[in-house]
Amino acid sequence: QKEVEQDPGPLSVPEGAIVSLNCTYSNSAFQYFMWYRQYSRKGPELLMYTYSSGNKEDGRFTAQVDKSSKYISLFIRDSQPSDSATYLCAMSIGGTASKLTFGTGTRLQVTL
Amino acid sequence: GAVVSQHPSRVICKSGTSVKIECRSLDFQATTMFWYRQFPKQSLMLMATSNEGSKATYEQGVEKDKFLINHASLTLSTLTVTSAHPEDSSFYICSATQGEYGYTFGSGTRLTVV
Repeated sequence: QKEVEQDPGPLSVPEGAIVSLNCTYSNSAFQYFMWYRQYSRKGPELLMYTYSSGNKEDGRFTAQVDKSSKYISLFIRDSQPSDSATYLCAMSIGGTASKLTFGTGTRLQVTL
Repeated sequence: GAVVSQHPSRVICKSGTSVKIECRSLDFQATTMFWYRQFPKQSLMLMATSNEGSKATYEQGVEKDKFLINHASLTLSTLTVTSAHPEDSSFYICSATQGEYGYTFGSGTRLTVV
């Protein structure tokens, strides 16, 4: 079993839809949770960062962490064609040089 | 914000030659940098953790003699793919950390070995 599970998609939604992206994990030591967006042939860019359980909102993006269920989510409101990309969840135990463990990424396509 | 510059963005080399990829943190000092490899439609696979002034820590299954990592300063880490073969063709990405969560990624290098 992988440490982090993420549905690879592809997920296709119409413009304006609410998108829900999810990851589950098995290592209860993970404390830091991140969502990255990666466009084709580019490096990942950080979208959201959360520490421990709870919600965090930034513009159209909301990140949720439920440590009791080992489940994290990213919601995108009013999705735009420019949101079409691969979304990667990542998590770490913590510490200044803690390595990230990534999900496989979900490919999202927002259609006009 | 934090910027990590990775160079070159694309490189094509002949089988048997070596290729060097540079990763620079432009506006912050990075005591730790990470090197990843990504195959098409797959996630990032950590290859090694690079610490300034010391030897890199390689993940299991990654050949340290093939993938040479040097972290000579707080702003520069290099990955050299030695004696490259077609199976080394991949997308290589570096990241640098400023702290517990400040992971910034480079734009990646697409290596094609012919």
